[in-house]
Parts: sequence; structure tokens; C-alpha cells
Amino acid sequence: KAGVTQTPRYLIKTRGQQVTLSCSPISGHRSVSWYQQTPGQGLQFLFEYFSETQRNKGNFPGRFSGRQFSNSRSEMNVSTLELGDSALYLCASSLAAVSGANVLTFGAGSRLTVL
Amino acid sequence: SQQGEEDPQALSIQEGENATMNCSYKTSINNLQWYRQNSGRGLVHLILIRSNEREKHSGRLRVTLDTSKKSSSLLITASRAADTASYFCAMAAAGNKLTFGGGTRVLVKP
Repeated sequence: KAGVTQTPRYLIKTRGQQVTLSCSPISGHRSVSWYQQTPGQGLQFLFEYFSETQRNKGNFPGRFSGRQFSNSRSEMNVSTLELGDSALYLCASSLAAVSGANVLTFGAGSRLTVL
Repeated sequence: SQQGEEDPQALSIQEGENATMNCSYKTSINNLQWYRQNSGRGLVHLILIRSNEREKHSGRLRVTLDTSKKSSSLLITASRAADTASYFCAMAAAGNKLTFGGGTRVLVKP
């Protein structure tokens, strides 16, 4: 079966713009988690959703937001982009309601560069 | 936060040797997981060990968990060039989010 699909894979934006990233989980998985990976901060938890409800949220400013649709697909949005938002954004899906309860299957990531 | 610390940050070994990396965490956990990441791509799950387990094996991988010391180790035996990657431990308390350690970069030289 198809894995976790993230789009776009690469994108370049300028400061002040906004970006929307998409994640399609494995069929049957209702939980989606988002992580930001940077060389300096490592893997940082952003948020996770289960059945369209946000279950947990990381310590990120309000410029970072997400949502989940009824088909379990998820999007995350970053508004007013800053240089420090340049990162690999990883999405993962799981059968469990929260990311810590079971194995995560990750997508290949969306690499965002902010100029 | 459950974020863990991994040691060493980087490891270089010859093909055929064993690689050991350690993970320490701060508070009680429900389970601890290990993931591998190849060169900026997505993470791949390796092993999940629950808090009531002490050791698990999967192929050439062996994971131990010592809840009294709040630590875990991942051993890769008979390493191959294809094992070159970053390895991350991740932990969660019951019902909570999964948080990751800083990772260990492993280089296996042919």
C-alpha cells in the first residue's frame, strides 16, 4: 500500500510569505503528526491530529498552524515566514490516537528554504 | 518535555564492526522507539520497546532499556556500509506525543 505522501517536496519562499504543506497518511491511519527538523534544533514536535482534532501541540509560535480533514489528510501552514523557518518538515501517520502510543510511518518530508 | 539525549553524537566504524549508541531520557515513559534517517529523508522505524521490556532484537539490531537508569541502547552488529545513517531514539509517556533525541550520526567505512 502507498506510504505517507508529502507535497511539495521542495519549495523556496521569501520572508513574509506564507506556505502550506500537505500530508496524505497511509490508508486507514487516522493520526497525523508534524515535526520540524533543523541542524541546530533537531527534530521538534509541531502538532498532531486524530479524527480532525488536534491532540497535542508543540512549543511553536501561532504562525504555525495545522488542520486535518475528514479523509485524514492534513495540512500545515506557516504564515509570515522567517529565515529560521527553513527546515525539513516531516509528517508521520499512525494507527494510534497519539504519536507516542505506536509506531510512526514518516513521509519523505518537505524541504522549505526561506530567503 | 520527554526529549532524550543521545551519545555519541557521531560514530565512525569499519564495516563488520559493531556500533553502539545510547539514549537517556528524563521522566517515566510508556515506550521507547528507535528510528533511522538516511541523509535528510524521512525516518524509518526500527524497534519499539515497551517500559516493561528489557531487551528486544530485530535482525542485526539489539535494543536494551533500563527504566531505573532512564536509558536505552541500540547495538548494530556486523555493520554494513548501508547502515550509514542517523539514528534517533524517541520516547513518550502514556497518551502523550512522541519526542526525539538529538540523534547519532553513524558512518560505516567499507
